[in-house]
Amino acid sequence: RKEVEQDPGPFNVPEGATVAFNCTYSNSASQSFFWYRQDCRKEPKLLMSVYSSGNEDGRFTAQLNRASQYISLLIRDSKLSDSATYLCVVRRTTPLVFGKGTRLSVIA
Amino acid sequence: DTGVSQNPRHKITKRGQNVTFRCDPISEHNRLYWYRQTLGQGPEFLTYFQNEAQLEKSRLLSDRFSAERPKGSFSTLEIQRTEQGDSAMYLCASSLALGQGNEQFFGPGTRLTVL
Repeated sequence: RKEVEQDPGPFNVPEGATVAFNCTYSNSASQSFFWYRQDCRKEPKLLMSVYSSGNEDGRFTAQLNRASQYISLLIRDSKLSDSATYLCVVRRTTPLVFGKGTRLSVIA
Repeated sequence: DTGVSQNPRHKITKRGQNVTFRCDPISEHNRLYWYRQTLGQGPEFLTYFQNEAQLEKSRLLSDRFSAERPKGSFSTLEIQRTEQGDSAMYLCASSLALGQGNEQFFGPGTRLTVL
């Protein structure tokens, strides 16, 4: 079993839609949690850290449920520019452990 | 440009050849990481350095792979006797070492194709 599991998608949604991505992790010792965004043939970039209390950054909301070992990302009012692969990431010690990513295409 | 830089951006080589990649981290970052990403997968950790010390190596890092960071600044990743399975994007990242929450900034990667 992979340490971080994500639905690979693709998710094809119209502009303005709300879309949610889910992720589970297997190692209960994981300490830090993130969502990274990766555009086609580009490097991953940090979208947001994820905290147990939940956190929001504009149209993006991330949630962490440590008991269920579950992480989510909600994108409201999707824009064409949100089209990318969203990588769920956990960290137990120093190296990051990435999921396969969920591909999002926002369609006009 | 003050971000992480990697050279070359693309490398095509024949099976059995040796290749070397270079990573220049953000100047004040004392941690440097190497990851590998294949098509349809997320990046996978290979190794990391704090200053010039190599602190952790993944079991993915076979004995054909060696990484160095001799002066605690740039790093090189060498692959000896390349195999077709080595074809991937090799990503370098850097961060500060303070605390657990420091962001890892990634470079643009070196795309390796082994023919």
